[in-house]
Amino acid sequence: ETGVTQTPRHLVMGMTNKKSLKCEQHLGHNAMYWYKQSAKKPLELMFVYSLEERVENNSVPSRFSPECPNSSHLFLHLHTLQPEDSALYLCASSQAQGAHTGELFFGEGSRLTVL
Amino acid sequence: GDSVTQMEGPVTLSEEAFLTINCTYTATGYPSLFWYVQYPGEGLQLLLKATKADDKGSNKGFEATYRKETTSFHLEKGSVQVSDSAVYFCALSRRGGSYIPTFGRGTSLIVHP
Repeated sequence: ETGVTQTPRHLVMGMTNKKSLKCEQHLGHNAMYWYKQSAKKPLELMFVYSLEERVENNSVPSRFSPECPNSSHLFLHLHTLQPEDSALYLCASSQAQGAHTGELFFGEGSRLTVL
Repeated sequence: GDSVTQMEGPVTLSEEAFLTINCTYTATGYPSLFWYVQYPGEGLQLLLKATKADDKGSNKGFEATYRKETTSFHLEKGSVQVSDSAVYFCALSRRGGSYIPTFGRGTSLIVHP
């Protein structure tokens, strides 16, 4: 139990569907992240929310839309996805400032399959 | 910019063998260094960390020493077990700089009985 919970753990969707991934952290952190992990590729940072400010990887397609309503919750809204978007989507949280050393706490991931 | 370089995998070992996974980094200032482990079907979890030069991080029999002179943070274990089979990620985070950590590509370890 890492204190970061992701739902659903598995999701299968068609290319025309709209779905959302949810992440919740119970650690009191002030930064949350979405990463994409595809087979044979490096971990790809997609979005970061820290102190209500958003940082994004400019290479992420607009069919991925993040939402962070508060410091404990993070969503990734998915629409009109492509088969190459099939991957493990990892949420993480951290404490972004002060004396903390910056380690991330990850959820177990949401395995997405796009048909 | 910051970067982390890990040795290519997979690393395949027999049980009780000695493990080394190399990691070198490039960063300005004084980063904190981390090793994360990802077991099959799970997310990443912190294995160990070191926050300043010559610090040694250790956990579950794994060790890594922060070597500023060689900009390295190699992961070692004296006797691996089948249950250590996983993907290992080296990472850094700079205090006072960007709060976004930099990860290596990951090294897969396979341990045979």
